[in-house]
Amino acid sequence: QVQLVESGGGVVQPGGSLRLSCAASGFTFSNYGMHWVRQAPGKGLEWVAFIRYDGTNKYYADSVKGRFTISRDNSKNTLYLQMSSLRAEDTAVYYCAKESGSGFDIWGQGTMVTVSS
Amino acid sequence: DIQMTQSPSTLSASVGDRVTITCRASQSISRWLAWYQQTPGQAPKLLIYMASNLQSGVPSRFSGSGSGTEFTLTISSLQPDDFATYYCQQYNSYPYTFGQGTKLEIK
Repeated sequence: QVQLVESGGGVVQPGGSLRLSCAASGFTFSNYGMHWVRQAPGKGLEWVAFIRYDGTNKYYADSVKGRFTISRDNSKNTLYLQMSSLRAEDTAVYYCAKESGSGFDIWGQGTMVTVSS
Repeated sequence: DIQMTQSPSTLSASVGDRVTITCRASQSISRWLAWYQQTPGQAPKLLIYMASNLQSGVPSRFSGSGSGTEFTLTISSLQPDDFATYYCQQYNSYPYTFGQGTKLEIK
């Protein structure tokens, strides 16, 4: 079935780096743009980044620009989020989501990132 | 950036009630608006896209309306599974932005 599965979350010290992955299955991954969305504990949803289906266009939230990099490997049906210079305020559940052309129609279960010393 | 403001932040209602949640955009977004439902510990679920189109598999008691800067999500007759947090999202322009959420509680 159509599925997104995130991995790579964990505990990291402030200033550290982490790479999240999102494995897609059940649909033609290379045909769709993909997003990362995060949710801090007890807070609302925050859009983080987008990558076009072919990787040519990328957009970022101001809060992560210059620190996070979104990428994809269509041969592996996998989306990535490279996070560096991590801060306490980056602590959140990170979701990957499929762009439907009108909203985000498929979401992963999320992976938790905790930035703490 | 386009700011999205939902009201109310919390709504108490009973099974069978009709409820409406409002979402306002800081500038016109035409009909580029989606609504999501999120229950605790779960990922959000797309309910409505293009302001008023029901996502496949979503019950018909959910409906959306509006355009420009003001939008509403209506649940015609609340069911137990509907008690959740609802978010609006604009996808008119980047950065995409969400409303702060409306928590629908059991009265």
